[in-house]
Amino acid sequence: EVQLVQSGAEVKKPGESLRISCEGSGYSFTTYWIAWVRQMPGKGLEWMGIIFPGGDSHTRYSPSFQGQVTISADKSISTAYLQWSSLKASDTAMYFCARHDGFRAHYWGQGTLVTVSS
Amino acid sequence: QSALTQPASVSGSPGQSITISCTGTSSDVGAYNYVSWYQQHPGKVPKLMIYDVNNRPSGVSDRFSGSKSGNTASLIISGLQAEDEADYYCSSYTTSSTHVFGTGTKVTVL
Repeated sequence: EVQLVQSGAEVKKPGESLRISCEGSGYSFTTYWIAWVRQMPGKGLEWMGIIFPGGDSHTRYSPSFQGQVTISADKSISTAYLQWSSLKASDTAMYFCARHDGFRAHYWGQGTLVTVSS
Repeated sequence: QSALTQPASVSGSPGQSITISCTGTSSDVGAYNYVSWYQQHPGKVPKLMIYDVNNRPSGVSDRFSGSKSGNTASLIISGLQAEDEADYYCSSYTTSSTHVFGTGTKVTVL
């Protein structure tokens, strides 16, 4: 069974750094792209970026998120990451990871709630 | 790249059919047949309902179907049921090798 299990909720202060994770199981982690999706409170889905954990971990970002976050992966532990170097209050949101089968997000993680507040 | 444009809300009575539109550009919806649709109930994880314009994943009801014409894709829900009340998002692959979601549509079953 394909599963994506995300790390738990985080409460951080503005300016702090953060890395959240998404562990894949039940499939070959290095053969599928993993995307990250943001959902701000009461708002819609926003596609942030995607990584291919195999080979050289090729990564693409939405222009809206380029330079704002970093997506990475450690194929040795079948885990993808989304990280911030300096959080802002506007980063408060639910973050989902999703496995892309072809050009669709077929399997989703349960979501990680990130709250940034002073 | 801008979000794809969807109507904020669509409603229908049980048993009726409704259509949700998703309008993009020649750089996304119009460029490829890689439009997907997702259903999200409040507080839940999005669920893939349609992929590659008009394909259903295993387990998704055949009451859900999709189509595309030019830069606009559509999700059709036939035989509307109470459980279909949710938010729906389209998504498209783009010529920049990224993806973009739609603005989202709240479906209400009257």
